[in-house]
Amino acid sequence: KNQVEQSPQSLIILEGKNCTLQCNYTVSPFSNLRWYKQDTGRGPVSLTIMTFSENTKSNGRYTATLDADTKQSSLHITASQLSDSASYICVVSEGGTGFQKLVFGTGTRLLVSP
Amino acid sequence: NAGVTQTPKFRVLKTGQSMTLLCAQDMNHEYMYWYRQDPGMGLRLIHYSVGEGTTAKGEVPDGYNVSRLKKQNFLLGLESAAPSQTSVYFCASSYSTGAAAQYFGPGTRLLVL
Repeated sequence: KNQVEQSPQSLIILEGKNCTLQCNYTVSPFSNLRWYKQDTGRGPVSLTIMTFSENTKSNGRYTATLDADTKQSSLHITASQLSDSASYICVVSEGGTGFQKLVFGTGTRLLVSP
Repeated sequence: NAGVTQTPKFRVLKTGQSMTLLCAQDMNHEYMYWYRQDPGMGLRLIHYSVGEGTTAKGEVPDGYNVSRLKKQNFLLGLESAAPSQTSVYFCASSYSTGAAAQYFGPGTRLLVL
């Protein structure tokens, strides 16, 4: 069964500190991996999308890495801000022909404390 | 541009009642999707559409129907609501599948008593 697992489930860090969120997946065939940020009470917002050939992708203070061999990804947040408090969802797109289904992780809830 | 909008934002239904959730996008996207998000679970695809006049079943379609009469609108219907349909519903749209980003609406919180 195609699955996406994220760790930790929740995390509290001090403002200004860095943190790394983990994602492991068993989705096959693989098309791409996405990270979304979801603020409380809002819809997810795309941070990065990485295809098989991409190892690293940045979006401001967010840097995602992908190791397609080990089926792992990480999202690194640099110099955290209070506005980074949110859930971060790892999503893997199934490959193959036709419609490509997205498999969602359950997210890591990040709280940035002043 | 408003992006993806959803109405209503919140609704309470009694078991057996019906309702329609409306999703609208102004990005001229071909693909539209309805998801539900439940505590402790990842988002699950209910139905999707690959273009005006088309619909297809997703992962959890039972108890829901959809229609896409206009390219910019995607409607999700509950004919006879059940408590198990208590959830937050998100609509999304994208230009294509593959590596195209999906843009999500703000969600509709539905409580079925």
